[in-house]
Parts: sequence; structure tokens; C-alpha cells
Amino acid sequence: EDQVTQSPEALRLQEGESSSLNCSYTVSGLRGLFWYRQDPGKGPEFLFTLYSAGEEKEKERLKATLTKKESFLHITAPKPEDSATYLCAVLGAGNMLTFGGGTRLMVKP
Amino acid sequence: NAGVTQTPKFQVLKTGQSMTLQCAQDMNHEYMSWYRQDPGMGLRLIHYSVGAGITDQGEVPNGYNVSRSTTEDFPLRLLSAAPSQTSVYFCASRGVGSYEQYFGPGTRLTVT
Repeated sequence: EDQVTQSPEALRLQEGESSSLNCSYTVSGLRGLFWYRQDPGKGPEFLFTLYSAGEEKEKERLKATLTKKESFLHITAPKPEDSATYLCAVLGAGNMLTFGGGTRLMVKP
Repeated sequence: NAGVTQTPKFQVLKTGQSMTLQCAQDMNHEYMSWYRQDPGMGLRLIHYSVGAGITDQGEVPNGYNVSRSTTEDFPLRLLSAAPSQTSVYFCASRGVGSYEQYFGPGTRLTVT
């Protein structure tokens, strides 16, 4: 059974204070690891797909990295508008995405 | 493109009532899915479809029914609502050869 654990559950940062969110996973036959951003009252919004260990993707202040056991979402010099819940998901051998519980990020000005 | 649309946005049901949550996409995506999101549980897959006429069960299918008569529409039916089905429901779609899923805005359902 595929499993995804995200930590921490909640993270408070000051504007400009860089940090990382963690996504640990166990999956049979990883076909992809996905990061989503979810704002309150809205559906998840796709950010990145990572396919193999060592891969990195960047978008503005966000950088996602992947190892064989975990993925990190690094946030550099965050702004208040980066406040959201960040979700990690994996796609294994089946057709189903398995999601983690999410990390709620709050960036204070 | 409207993307993925869901109706209604909010719904309150009494125990035992039935209803259908609507989902439509205009991106000609083959894959469509229904998830529920509960505090501390993450998103869990209810049912999914890989094309018109083809559906399959996800992780938590009990109490829900789906059908896929067209590429665009994928309704979710609650047969006899229970308080345990109080949740936020999301529909998602993706194209063949892509793992990037597009989510709808969600339906917040309360069963009393």
C-alpha cells in the first residue's frame, strides 16, 4: 500500500525566512511525485511533477527535489502570498494518486 | 476554457436523502476522478474513470455511485446520505499521457 507523510503539519514563517517542507513516501514502482498548492475554499492547484531521484524543479520562490524516499519543497524568501496548504502525492503502479495530509504554511509580513 | 466545474458549491442533506454532485470538464480529458477531503485525512479517491463508459473504485467507494456516459461529465451520486459523508468533494481530470491533474473548486456537503 502506497503511503505519503508530510511534515510539519503547520509552519509559520516570517516574510523572507527560507525553509523546507518534507514529503516522505513508500510506493511500489514510483511513476511520479506531485506537489500541489491549495488555498482555503479552493481546489488544489498543480505545481510540480518529479519522476526520478535527483530531479529538481523550480518555480519562482519554490524548488522541489526528490530522493528515493522523500521529496522536499524549498521556499526561498517567502512572501505572505505564499501562505497556503501544500500537498504532496505519489502515483505508483496503480492508477490512483495517494495524497499526504498536507503542510499548512503561514507567512507573516 | 472553464476547466473543471462542479455544482453545487454547498449542499445540506438530511440522513437518508440522495443527491448527485455534478462535475464537468471542457479539456477533452480522458481521466476523471472524485476525491473527498477531510481534516487530517488528506484527499482520498472515491471513484475514477479512464474514459466514457469505464469506471472503477478508489480507496473509499462505499455509499457512492458513478457513471461516465460522455467524456465531459462525471457525476457522483450519494445513494442514501449518512453523516460520515460530510466532507468537501473534489472532482479532477487529466489527459492521456499526462499526470498533471486539474481540480474543480469543490462541493462542501453537510449531512445532518
